[in-house]
Amino acid sequence: QSALTQPASVSGSPGQSITISCTGTSSDVGGYNYVSWYQQHPGKAPKLMIYDVSNRPSGVSNRFSGSKSGNTASLTISGLQAEDEADYYCSSYTSSSTPHVVFGGGTKLTVL
Amino acid sequence: QLQLQESGPGLVKPSETLSLTCTVSGGSISSSSYYWGWIRQPPGKGLEWIGSIYYSGSTYYNPSLKSRVTISVDTSKNQFSLKLSSVTAADTAVYYCARHRLHYDFWGWGQGTLVTVSS
Repeated sequence: QSALTQPASVSGSPGQSITISCTGTSSDVGGYNYVSWYQQHPGKAPKLMIYDVSNRPSGVSNRFSGSKSGNTASLTISGLQAEDEADYYCSSYTSSSTPHVVFGGGTKLTVL
Repeated sequence: QLQLQESGPGLVKPSETLSLTCTVSGGSISSSSYYWGWIRQPPGKGLEWIGSIYYSGSTYYNPSLKSRVTISVDTSKNQFSLKLSSVTAADTAVYYCARHRLHYDFWGWGQGTLVTVSS
């Protein structure tokens, strides 16, 4: 059982927008602005898409955006494209026990 | 261009120790801005952080794995290493090494290496 809760799957048609949620607690998502999102294509390493809740690394499309409300963070992908089909993972810094990081269980995005 | 490459045995027997090394190129492991971590992913499952190290040797471990994990760094070789003791089939996973900042945003990843625990 993962520390952060994500939906197992989401889907959308090309051009549409989708949102993936990531729910934690006040010890992780709700307590810090250190939520990251990763994209992982099959057989590949994860790629950082969002850091510090809403910041995009250089080179990441502005179709990807992040936000947070309370203990839930969200990743929104607008203008869905076929290449967005992948698994997405959230992570958060946590102070539970000793400071470290926890991941969500992952969400499979299908572009219809 | 930073590159990380994992190396080590792909097959480990139950109860033995899993050992992996990550070689960093295109950047110095002694950078004061970054930490170096290990993350694993069992087949078909999600990501799990194992632990991290700073170039000074300070270590940070997942509380659930702490009793079995040792991470070390060799700045002269620009490498850091993972040892996981008393492995079982549940430790079968793709093991990634990665670079991260203070609050665990992982900016660079190795390609990953599959380690299977089996007799």
